[in-house]
Amino acid sequence: QLHLQESGPGLVRPSETLSLTCTVSNGSISDSRYYWDWIRQSPGKGLEWLGALYFSGSTFYNPSLKSRVTISLDTSKNQFYLKLTSATAADTAVYYCARQEYHYAMDVWGQGTTVTVSS
Amino acid sequence: EIVLTQSPGTLSLSPGDRATLSCRASQSLSTAYLAWYHQRRGQAPSLLIFGASRRATGIPERFTGSGSGTDFSLTINGLEPEDFGVYYCQLYDGSPFMHTFGQGTKLEIK
Repeated sequence: QLHLQESGPGLVRPSETLSLTCTVSNGSISDSRYYWDWIRQSPGKGLEWLGALYFSGSTFYNPSLKSRVTISLDTSKNQFYLKLTSATAADTAVYYCARQEYHYAMDVWGQGTTVTVSS
Repeated sequence: EIVLTQSPGTLSLSPGDRATLSCRASQSLSTAYLAWYHQRRGQAPSLLIFGASRRATGIPERFTGSGSGTDFSLTINGLEPEDFGVYYCQLYDGSPFMHTFGQGTKLEIK
């Protein structure tokens, strides 16, 4: 059964870059049937899609964050990554990685990792 | 950008009741791209319904998705204790490639 696990610093200073890793196990990030996504949830708020990645390297971003977000992958490590530059307190959230299947729904999610932006 | 509006904000029901949750889109969209998720406190969301009406693997038949155009709904027949939590609808918009979530409906025990 596919498993996704987020990892990265739990605390980021304002103006610095938030960097997270999603490790995919029991499945391949190179599987052409899927996209790989990042979604976040601010405290007490709903879900916000950040962006997605295809195994070919094609990326798609939320227009509201496009200038600050970069998603990339390393097929040799079966991992994909999120970088969010110029972090502010508004970026404090639980960050999830997820697999997006061919009906454009997220069918497998990681457990989430909490990131706090604070000095 | 299509906006999804969910109602009600909170729904208070008892185990065994029927729950009806609504998701309204600001523009007509393809049913193929509407999904529903359930999130329990402290957990990641889990997929219930995709393609507006297709149950995800392992989802009980008491969960039914329906709708078309701009109006979609999720019906849960015979609420079980594990069904309480927050429900989100989500759509994929291909122009441009973008996903949007509704703000959620909290289903709480009455």
